[in-house]
Amino acid sequence: AQKITQTQPGMFVQEKEAVTLDCTYDTSDPSYGLFWYKQPSSGEMIFLIYQGSYDQQNATEGRYSLNFQKARKSANLVISASQLGDSAMYFCAMREGRNQGAQKLVFGQGTRLTINP
Amino acid sequence: DTEVTQTPKHLVMGMTNKKSLKCEQHMGHRAMYWYKQKAKKPPELMFVYSYEKLSINESVPSRFSPECPNSSLLNLHLHALQPEDSALYLCASSQDQHSNTGELFFGEGSRLTVL
Repeated sequence: AQKITQTQPGMFVQEKEAVTLDCTYDTSDPSYGLFWYKQPSSGEMIFLIYQGSYDQQNATEGRYSLNFQKARKSANLVISASQLGDSAMYFCAMREGRNQGAQKLVFGQGTRLTINP
Repeated sequence: DTEVTQTPKHLVMGMTNKKSLKCEQHMGHRAMYWYKQKAKKPPELMFVYSYEKLSINESVPSRFSPECPNSSLLNLHLHALQPEDSALYLCASSQDQHSNTGELFFGEGSRLTVL
């Protein structure tokens, strides 16, 4: 069974600072995908970044990067130069196996990030 | 703006009512999903449709009935719900297996209150 753990219920960061949101996972499947989503108060889940288990390099998307440590089974999200608009709930999620169309994405408990001016 | 559209945004219903939630996407995605999210909790998978056929049912009570009329539309029919079914219902879609990442694209959700 797959499991996603986010140990930080809440994080408070000053604007323009970098922030790391922690995520650890557990799976016996050698092939899997890891995702980070942002959920503002509007409710929509916004896809941020993806890391495949066989990807050799850490994923990056603009101000977002994923610190992937496969041996430690961690996939931390790093947001550089935080902005007020980054305040939201952040979820780490995992898919076991490769994308086969219909897939089961399981989410961690989430971390609420608050950016202070 | 999200490319997955959900209606209605808010719905209040009694336990004897019958209502439906609707979801539409025009990205050509062939997989569509319903997730349920209680307050301060992560989304939980309910149903997955692949090529208009039900692929995954996460042991959801029969008072929730999904329907996929075509590749762009997904409905969730609600009947005889309980107050504990009050939640945000999120619809999502994803590309088929030709996409390496297969990320889900979510709508803004339908916030349901059962009285």
